[in-house]
Amino acid sequence: DAGVTQSPTHLIKTRGQQVTLRCSPKSGHDTVSWYQQALGQGPQFIFQYYEEEERQRGNFPDRFSGHQFPNYSSELNVNALLLGDSALYLCASSLGTNYQPQHFGDGTRLSIL
Amino acid sequence: ILNVEQSPQSLHVQEGDSTNFTCSFPSSNFYALHWYRWETAKSPEALFVMTLNGDEKKKGRISATLNTKEGYSYLYIKGSQPEDSATYLCASKGMDSSYKLIFGSGTRLLVRP
Repeated sequence: DAGVTQSPTHLIKTRGQQVTLRCSPKSGHDTVSWYQQALGQGPQFIFQYYEEEERQRGNFPDRFSGHQFPNYSSELNVNALLLGDSALYLCASSLGTNYQPQHFGDGTRLSIL
Repeated sequence: ILNVEQSPQSLHVQEGDSTNFTCSFPSSNFYALHWYRWETAKSPEALFVMTLNGDEKKKGRISATLNTKEGYSYLYIKGSQPEDSATYLCASKGMDSSYKLIFGSGTRLLVRP
């Protein structure tokens, strides 16, 4: 039973570029959430996708956008990259209801030069 | 309390010691409280999801309690082992944004053999 998989593992970009991160949820899960984790902080909620729609969004600018596909996989896109976007990006999947725990992937480490 | 706060920030204990950490969260508008364990080079792993005041959960040597009226949760580890070394994260969901998990910065536990 495959868990949450994220790709790529590491990525190096320069300021102003655009990046796409990918996530496949755990088998049977229909909800995908994305988090940004900066050094020394807890994960910060970016947004959550359910039924191919953005269901809730955290305090992130419009440069951060996402998508969920019919097979429940998801992408996180970041445009006009800033140095401050350097972080670990975590994807988490869950099944529907709010009382279920989230299952996390290993993350994508994004470095902006 | 507007944010989720965890204390202590880090903790060093000897193998065999019992220990506990605190998570403080907004008590008004409470919906659910999650605990996760995050070992280095791995993905965060769900420990507990707690919803009711007075809830107590147990998983092996790890247990947690919840007080929703005063807005805190304790995580206890009995007889700490080196393999318990990890960062322990708590995250709160509020009724007004019940899809959004707000994480604390975590407690980093190091268990010395």
